[in-house]
Formats: sequence, C-alpha cells, structure tokens
Amino acid sequence: GQSLEQPSEVTAVEGAIVQINCTYQTSGFYGLSWYQQHDGGAPTFLSYNGLDGLEETGRFSSFLSRSDSYGYLLLQELQMKDSASYFCAVRNSSYKLIFGSGTRLLVRP
Amino acid sequence: GAVVSQHPSRVICKSGTSVKIECRSLDFQATTMFWYRQFPKQSLMLMATSNEGSKATYEQGVEKDKFLINHASLTLSTLTVTSAHPEDSSFYICSAAQDTQYFGPGTRLTVL
Repeated sequence: GQSLEQPSEVTAVEGAIVQINCTYQTSGFYGLSWYQQHDGGAPTFLSYNGLDGLEETGRFSSFLSRSDSYGYLLLQELQMKDSASYFCAVRNSSYKLIFGSGTRLLVRP
Repeated sequence: GAVVSQHPSRVICKSGTSVKIECRSLDFQATTMFWYRQFPKQSLMLMATSNEGSKATYEQGVEKDKFLINHASLTLSTLTVTSAHPEDSSFYICSAAQDTQYFGPGTRLTVL
C-alpha cells in the first residue's frame, strides 16, 4: 500500500521556526513535494526534493532522506499569513502525486 | 509560473442534474492533467489522471461512468459529474503537469 504520515496540527508563534515532518511508504518514488493550502483555496506549490538534502526557497526549506523515507518542511520567521494547511506529496512516475493527510499550522501572535 | 484556470469557481445544482467543470492550462501545454476531490478538513484525493487523446485512468473506487473526463486538447480537460447527488458536494481541483503539478483554483460544487 501507499501511505504518508504527517502531524495533524502544529501551533507556533510569530517569528518562530517550525518543522513539519513527513514519512512515507509508497510504491515508486521520484521525489517529495510540499504544498500550502489556505482555507477555501487551492494548493500552492512550495518545494520539491528529488534528491537527498536540503532545498531552500526564501523562508521555506525542505529536506529529504530517501534512505529513511523521510522529509520535512521548515518554515522560518513565521508570519500570521503562514497559517494554513501544509501537505507533503510523493511523486511517482508520470507526475502522479499521492498526498499526505495534511498538517494544519496555526501561527499565534 | 504556470497558470491553471478552472471554471466555474462555484456551482449549485439540483440533485439529478449534470455539471461540467473545465480545467485549462493557460501558458503551457499539458499532456497530463489530474482531477482531485477534497472534502472539508481532509486531504486531496486523486480521482483520475487525464491524458490528452486517450481515456482517463481512474483511481480505485471512482466511478468512471459518473465522473466523465475528456481531455480533447493539450490545454483543456473537462470533468462532468453526471446525475449529481448531495454526497457529490465537494471541492474539485484540477492540476496540470509540467515540471511539477500546478493546481487550478478549484470548483466548489453544492448539490441540493
């Protein structure tokens, strides 16, 4: 079967750093993507890791360890607007994505 | 970046009617598009993979006769929910594949 595990909820204060972990078990693996989704909106692409290591894009970084079937999204200098749901998604062949259950991030003042 | 549009953004219909949702890639050609459904506070569930010029590939448990998908061109895929019922009320999202998947803004369907 295929499964992705990520925490259901995370709370942090403005300006802090938060890490959202994702472990996966899938048949076929090309890479791990991260998406942000605000309530009522569509997912927005944040980051993609095809190889082991850290990818940095502004305040957001994503890490992948293929040997551990593990990745994380790191959000720095949290802002109120970062309150949203964050999904990890495994890409298998043909661009198909299998989504995790999502982590709801609440940023408090 | 790549832009994907969906139309309509919101639709309310009576039970038993059919609803068509369009998904367009505006600035690139997409051989492959995907259709997802998302219930409140849940994850995105892949319904089907839409391939230009060929039949869609449906995920397990998705009724292909109820959710008709047509991908007639490299920039347009349509999802038709036939004989919609209240349990079909959901947020339907399409995506188009380029270097990664780019999502449309979604269509909120409410079946009365």
